[in-house]
Order: sequence, then structure tokens, then C-alpha cells
Amino acid sequence: KAGVTQTPRYLIKTRGQQVTLSCSPISGHRSVSWYQQTPGQGLQFLFEYFSETQRNKGNFPGRFSGRQFSNSRSEMNVSTLELGDSALYLCASRRTGRTGELFFGEGSRLTVL
Amino acid sequence: GENVEQHPSTLSVQEGDSAVIKCTYSDSASNYFPWYKQELGKRPQLIIDIRSNVGEKKDQRIAVTLNKTAKHFSLHITETQPEDSAVYFCAASITETSYDKVIFGPGTSLSVIP
Repeated sequence: KAGVTQTPRYLIKTRGQQVTLSCSPISGHRSVSWYQQTPGQGLQFLFEYFSETQRNKGNFPGRFSGRQFSNSRSEMNVSTLELGDSALYLCASRRTGRTGELFFGEGSRLTVL
Repeated sequence: GENVEQHPSTLSVQEGDSAVIKCTYSDSASNYFPWYKQELGKRPQLIIDIRSNVGEKKDQRIAVTLNKTAKHFSLHITETQPEDSAVYFCAASITETSYDKVIFGPGTSLSVIP
């Protein structure tokens, strides 16, 4: 069974630009969560989608948004990029929206110059 | 909202010694506590988890304990090996809607010295 796939793996943007990251969950998994990973801050929860609806949200500004499609694939978008947005963005899928193992992708490493 | 603290941030042990990582959580409604291991350049992977109705769980050299009263849980690794070197994240899962939110601690970087 294919794992969680994230694209692109690496990208470089400049301040003020926007970026869209994509996540394809494991087949049959309907929940996709997004996390921002930075040194010292660990994994900061962004949001979770289940059945195309945002079910939970973390404490990030409105510049961070996401969506989920009918095939459970998810995208997250960051607008008006800031230097502090440089991070590894990880998505994770699980079968349901309740307790259970999160399966992570390898991440998209965003560098903002 | 839920907050998870984790200590220490870095830990260095000799091969064969034990390692203990401690976490505390803020929301008493949290009911599921997983631990993830992230090796350098790799994705985080679940290594063990415990639910709120259980006080301790073991899996070979790894054990997790939970003290709900103190809102505290710990990871114990015995007979450490170099391949245990990684960043370990504790997490707490809370149900705010009908869907759980998994909140992670800041991580502990464990180095096992051969």
C-alpha cells in the first residue's frame, strides 16, 4: 500500500508570495492533518480535514488555509509568505477522525527568502 | 487549548543505559497519548501509545506510563542502542468536536553513545 505522498518536496519562495502544498493520503484514509515543523517548536498543528470539511484548527493566522477534495487529497495554502514561515510542512493521514495512528508523509520543506 | 510540555529537550545516554522522557498535558479531557520517533531526515512514526484507561504499556524495550491525576506521562527506553538515536515526540489527543486533535510536545533529541 502506498504511503502518504507530499509534493513538492522542496521549494523556495520570496516574501509576499504564496505557496500551495499537496498531500495524498493512504488509500482508504479520510482524515488529513497538517503540521508545521521547526527546530525547537516541534510539530505545530495547523488543521485537520475529514470528508472535505475542516474539523479542527490550530492557532495559526488566516494566511494559512487548506482544503480537501472528494478523493481525500488535501492542499494547504500559505499566502503573503513571511520569513518565519520557513519550515517543514508535514501532512498525516488516518482512517478516521478519531484516535488512531497518524501516518506521516516525508514533508514539504519551504524556504522563504 | 491543549498544551503539551516535554522534558528534557536533549538527552544523551551511554549505550545500554535507560532513557526517560517526560511529558505533561494541560487538558484533563485528553484521552489518548501516542509517542512518535523521528530519525534524522525521516518522517515521524508511531512507536507506542496509551489510552487514558490504562496506566502502563510495554513493548519490548519501550514502556509508557500515564498518571491521569497529575496529567503526566513518560516514555522509558531500556538497554538503549545506537539506533534509538532520534527525536521523540509525545502527543495528547483531545476531542473538541467529534474529531480528535493531536497536539505534540516540542520533542526530545536522544543521542545514544556507543
